[in-house]
This record gives sequence, structure tokens and C-alpha cells, in this order.
Amino acid sequence: GAGVSQTPSNKVTEKGKYVELRCDPISGHTALYWYRQSLGQGPEFLIYFQGTGAADDSGLPNDRFFAVRPEGSVSTLKIQRTERGDSAVYLCASSLPSSSSSGANVLTFGAGSRLTVL
Amino acid sequence: QKEVEQDPGPLSVPEGAIVSLNCTYSNSAFQYFMWYRQYSRKGPELLMYTYSSGNKEDGRFTAQVDKSSKYISLFIRDSQPSDSATYLCAARLAFGKGNQVVVIP
Repeated sequence: GAGVSQTPSNKVTEKGKYVELRCDPISGHTALYWYRQSLGQGPEFLIYFQGTGAADDSGLPNDRFFAVRPEGSVSTLKIQRTERGDSAVYLCASSLPSSSSSGANVLTFGAGSRLTVL
Repeated sequence: QKEVEQDPGPLSVPEGAIVSLNCTYSNSAFQYFMWYRQYSRKGPELLMYTYSSGNKEDGRFTAQVDKSSKYISLFIRDSQPSDSATYLCAARLAFGKGNQVVVIP
């Protein structure tokens, strides 16, 4: 597609439930990123994939959060036993691979999935 | 210490004014510095990026990097109501908290 597509756009769930958020990146973008953004804050890095493998998962807050990208394209962020503090907008972005570890990660973001945990 | 720090205070300016936004960063290995613009209920979109120290101009927008002081700036000249948005600085994978800018007609 023309842009990064995220579904669902809104998700309301109850505390303790399991949630999956999906991201469909721009075709040809081998790098995919998940961020979390709370109200009034900047995006907080969660995990970054290069192809099928997680290149950096240092931002995942705990083992309730897991992400996969089995075929190097679509990615799913999975949250187990949701807590009220997980309520946020989950942003996905994709990019061409950066040229170095400190290179220009020029990201194209989707509109986000707004998660509300009651 | 967060890798990128941005004082998140909101900023209101009259139309036509110059907007000045600033961030600091901690990792001296960073070489690319990005500014993203985010409208309400949308994802951030890249505004511009600069490499190493110096200035980069794109229309009414100028990005500036001073690596000696680890300071990055964004200037918006002749600000327009359509510039009203949140502006986020970023380096590598780290983002600042963002500045909400309101340009009053």
C-alpha cells in the first residue's frame, strides 16, 4: 500500500485480556518499528525488526509484550494480561534500512492503534 | 538521562512570528537528527533531517545542529495557522517529548 497501515484503529479491552495489534508496512521497507505514545508524551521505542528478526527489543517494558514479523512484512504486537497502564496509542513505522548503527532512521509512521484498557 | 530531551511546554505565537524549538541529546555517536510533525490523532511525519553539525533549510523551516553542545534546533519562519501541531525531535530511535505549537491567526 501507499502508507503504513495499522489495525484496529481503536481497541477497548478489559484488564487482564489479551490484545493483538497489526501493522502492515510500506512495501519494500525492510525495517519495522513499534512505539508507544501516551498523552502529552513523545513516542517511546518498543522494538525494531530488520527483516524477520528483532534487531533491538530493549524497549519492551516486560514479558507481557511480544512482537513478531514471521515473513518480514506484516508485524503483530501482542500484549498479554493487559493492565490499565498499557492504555496508549501504539504506533508502527517502517523504513528502508539505515546505513549504520547511528544512521538516519527516517521513519514513516502509521496513524496508530489507540488501546484503552478498562 | 534520556537520550533526547525536549522541554514539552506548549507554545502559542501570532501568525507570521518565528517559532524556535530546541532539544538536547546525550549520545555523541548520533549523527543524524530528525524533526517530525504530528497533527492530532495522526502519526508523526518527517519534516526534515540533518547530518552532523550545521544548518539545513527547507522553505520556511530551518534545522540546526551544534554537536559541540549536543543541541538541535528547529526554526519556523512566517508561521502559519497550518503549522499548528506537535513538533518532535529525534535521533536514531529516541524521540523527545514534543512541543505543541499553536499559531494564532
